[in-house]
Amino acid sequence: DGGITQSPKYLFRKEGQNVTLSCEQNLNHDAMYWYRQDPGQGLRLIYYSQIVNDFQKGDIAEGYSVSREKKESFPLTVTSAQKNPTAFYLCASSIPLAGTLGEQFFGPGTRLTVL
Amino acid sequence: AQSVTQLDSQVPVFEEAPVELRCNYSSSVSVYLFWYVQYPNQGLQLLLKYLSGSTLVESINGFEAEFNKSQTSFHLRKPSVHISDTAEYFCAVSQFGNEKLTFGTGTRLTIIP
Repeated sequence: DGGITQSPKYLFRKEGQNVTLSCEQNLNHDAMYWYRQDPGQGLRLIYYSQIVNDFQKGDIAEGYSVSREKKESFPLTVTSAQKNPTAFYLCASSIPLAGTLGEQFFGPGTRLTVL
Repeated sequence: AQSVTQLDSQVPVFEEAPVELRCNYSSSVSVYLFWYVQYPNQGLQLLLKYLSGSTLVESINGFEAEFNKSQTSFHLRKPSVHISDTAEYFCAVSQFGNEKLTFGTGTRLTIIP
């Protein structure tokens, strides 16, 4: 089955530690995205990548970093510089511009809690 | 710049009653519009989308939305809701040639038995 997987589903971190969230897709999508979801605020874009070895900051990139070494993978690192990292993190991917524009497919999410 | 407004953060509805979830957008160029649904502790699933053509679009589970360019709206409707429709619904917009989506803050639909 094609889809997007995120791991782990739940993640606990001590304050001051970096943590990496995994996102893998087998949909052959070029573009991948990371969003943060907080109650009452909808989804906010952290980083996105439209091609391997290239990525751009979204609206709330401070305290986060990403890499895109493979088409299938787009890991997100939450660094100790992120002031309020407790949130639900969603990864998404989309098909190239030649296809349906803007339609994104989402993974099941990772809930990060900082203790 | 594009933006999306979902005025209702929560909408309680009795089972089998009709519902409308409102979505208004702002953009200076042509847009594509989407409704996503999120069930508790899950990712988002695409419910329906407007790209071009007919302004009325439908989903497989009875929802429909109408693109109204003059009112810059894309309201979601269902004539008769079920308990299984309980979820959070997000409206989203993207501009032509831009894969970035801008999401509204979501509307939590609660079905009352």
